[in-house]
Amino acid sequence: AQKVTQAQTEISVVEKEDVTLDCVYETRDTTYYLFWYKQPPSGELVFLIRRNSFDEQNEISGRYSWNFQKSTSSFNFTITASQVVDSAVYFCALSDQGGSEKLVFGKGTKLTVNP
Amino acid sequence: DTAVSQTPKYLVTQMGNDKSIKCEQNLGHDTMYWYKQDSKKFLKIMFSYNNKELIINETVPNRFSPKSPDKAHLNLHINSLELGDSAVYFCASSQGLGRGAGANVLTFGAGSRLTVL
Repeated sequence: AQKVTQAQTEISVVEKEDVTLDCVYETRDTTYYLFWYKQPPSGELVFLIRRNSFDEQNEISGRYSWNFQKSTSSFNFTITASQVVDSAVYFCALSDQGGSEKLVFGKGTKLTVNP
Repeated sequence: DTAVSQTPKYLVTQMGNDKSIKCEQNLGHDTMYWYKQDSKKFLKIMFSYNNKELIINETVPNRFSPKSPDKAHLNLHINSLELGDSAVYFCASSQGLGRGAGANVLTFGAGSRLTVL
């Protein structure tokens, strides 16, 4: 069965600190997709990244970077030099064929960046 | 131009009432979804429709009835509302369904906050 675990419920940092949000997933499929979504205080869900199970290359987009490691079933998200606008709830999610390809979310990590 | 729009944004009602939430997408996507986000922010899929056909029904009480008149619309009707139905309901859409469809990125609406008193 699919499962996504975000063990960090809440994280609080001071602006300009780097912060890593952890995500561990479980799936029996060899083909699957991992996602991160951001939910700022305004409430909408914003897509950040999609990664397929055959591409273990790390990805960097500005201050955001993602580390995908199949050996540890992890897909961690790092924000470098955090800013107040990064304050949000971040969700990791998994989609696989065994789960009828529906998107299963972790419980989210609430990040607060203080000035 | 909003890609996935939901109405109403806020809904406050009494227990036992019936209410509907409407969703429309202008992205030309084939698949639409309803997700429920509870007070602890947990997001869980309720239903998914592909080209007006129900493809996912996640053991949701039958008081909840989705309706898709066409592939651009997916409405959610809730009968006999209960306190536990209070949540934010998100509509979403994605490109298609089929092999590799799990790769599809979901575009979410802004959410509809339902409060049952």
